[in-house]
Amino acid sequence: AQKITQTQPGMFVQEKEAVTLDCTYDTSDPSYGLFWYKQPSSGEMIFLIYQGSYDQQNATEGRYSLNFQKARKSANLVISASQLGDSAMYFCAMREVPTGGFKTIFGAGTRLFVKA
Amino acid sequence: EAQVTQNPRYLITVTGKKLTVTCSQNMNHEYMSWYRQDPGLGLRQIYYSMNVEVTDKGDVPEGYKVSRKEKRNFPLILESPSPNQTSLYFCASSLTGGYQPQHFGDGTRLSIL
Repeated sequence: AQKITQTQPGMFVQEKEAVTLDCTYDTSDPSYGLFWYKQPSSGEMIFLIYQGSYDQQNATEGRYSLNFQKARKSANLVISASQLGDSAMYFCAMREVPTGGFKTIFGAGTRLFVKA
Repeated sequence: EAQVTQNPRYLITVTGKKLTVTCSQNMNHEYMSWYRQDPGLGLRQIYYSMNVEVTDKGDVPEGYKVSRKEKRNFPLILESPSPNQTSLYFCASSLTGGYQPQHFGDGTRLSIL
């Protein structure tokens, strides 16, 4: 069955340092997509980065990169040079198509606090 | 501006009083979905729709109904709300049901007394 695990309920990072948010997933399907979303305190959900199961290279989007280790079923989000505005809740999500029935599942989230 | 619009943003109501949360998108997206967010549980999918007149259950569909009569609209209906449905609800859409990211509405906070 599909499952997403985010083991870090909360994390602190010093401004300008890099931070890694963990995400492991469970699937038996060879085809799937992994997503990271950010939820600031204002509540909206913001898409950050996507990784496909067949992508050969790790995805990058500006200061965000995804450390994709397929054999270990992990898709960790790396934020480089943290900024105060990065303080937010971060969710890892997965979609399996089509065996997952077009559902999307989310992890419980990691709350990141960036210290000045 | 491309957006997903939910209404209302906040609602306090009582047990058993039927309510509808509307969701509309202006991006001509085929895929729409409803989630509820509860502390410690992340987002859980309630229902999703691949296109007009095509809907399917997510992981927590009990107590909810949906319909997709038009491509742009995907209302969530609580026919007989109960206190355990107090939550933050999000509507989302994506171009298809494939691997595109979802665009989310601003959320609806429901309190059922």
